[in-house]
Amino acid sequence: KNQVEQSPQSLIILEGKNCTLQCNYTVSPFSNLRWYKQDTGRGPVSLTIMTFSENTKSNGRYTATLDADTKQSSLHITASQLSDSASYICVVSDGNSGYSTLTFGKGTMLLVSP
Amino acid sequence: NAGVTQTPKFRILKIGQSMTLQCTQDMNHNYMYWYRQDPGMGLKLIYYSVGAGITDKGEVPNGYNVSRSTTEDFPLRLELAAPSQTSVYFCASSYGTASNQPQHFGDGTRLSIL
Repeated sequence: KNQVEQSPQSLIILEGKNCTLQCNYTVSPFSNLRWYKQDTGRGPVSLTIMTFSENTKSNGRYTATLDADTKQSSLHITASQLSDSASYICVVSDGNSGYSTLTFGKGTMLLVSP
Repeated sequence: NAGVTQTPKFRILKIGQSMTLQCTQDMNHNYMYWYRQDPGMGLKLIYYSVGAGITDKGEVPNGYNVSRSTTEDFPLRLELAAPSQTSVYFCASSYGTASNQPQHFGDGTRLSIL
């Protein structure tokens, strides 16, 4: 069964500090991995999408890494801001079917404190 | 740009009642999806559509129905509401298959069945 595990479950950091969120997956075959940001009461918003050949992808202060061999990904947030407080969801696509099956992680809840 | 619009934002239903959750997108996307998000869980796919007139079941379709008469609209129907259907429902769309295209999400419908 395809699974996506995220850690930590929640995290509190001070404004201006950096943090790294982790994602481990057991999805086969692997097509791509994406990170979404979900603000409270809102829908998820795409941050990055990476295929197996991409090791790193950045979007502003967000940098995602992918190790397809160990089936791990991380999302690094630099110089955190209060607006970074949100749930960050890791999603893996298996590319099996025509629409592609997506497996969603439960998310890491990040709180940036002033 | 409106993107993906969901209505209503909140709704309380009694057991056995029926309702339709509305979803419309203005990006001319062929692919549309319905997910449910339960507390502390990853999003689960209910139904999806690859174009007008074409729909298919996702992971958790029981108790729901969909239709896709136009490219823009993808309503989700609950026929006999049950407490287990209390959840947050998200509609999403993508330009192509979710294999390598980001999904654009609406802001959700929060549904309580009492």
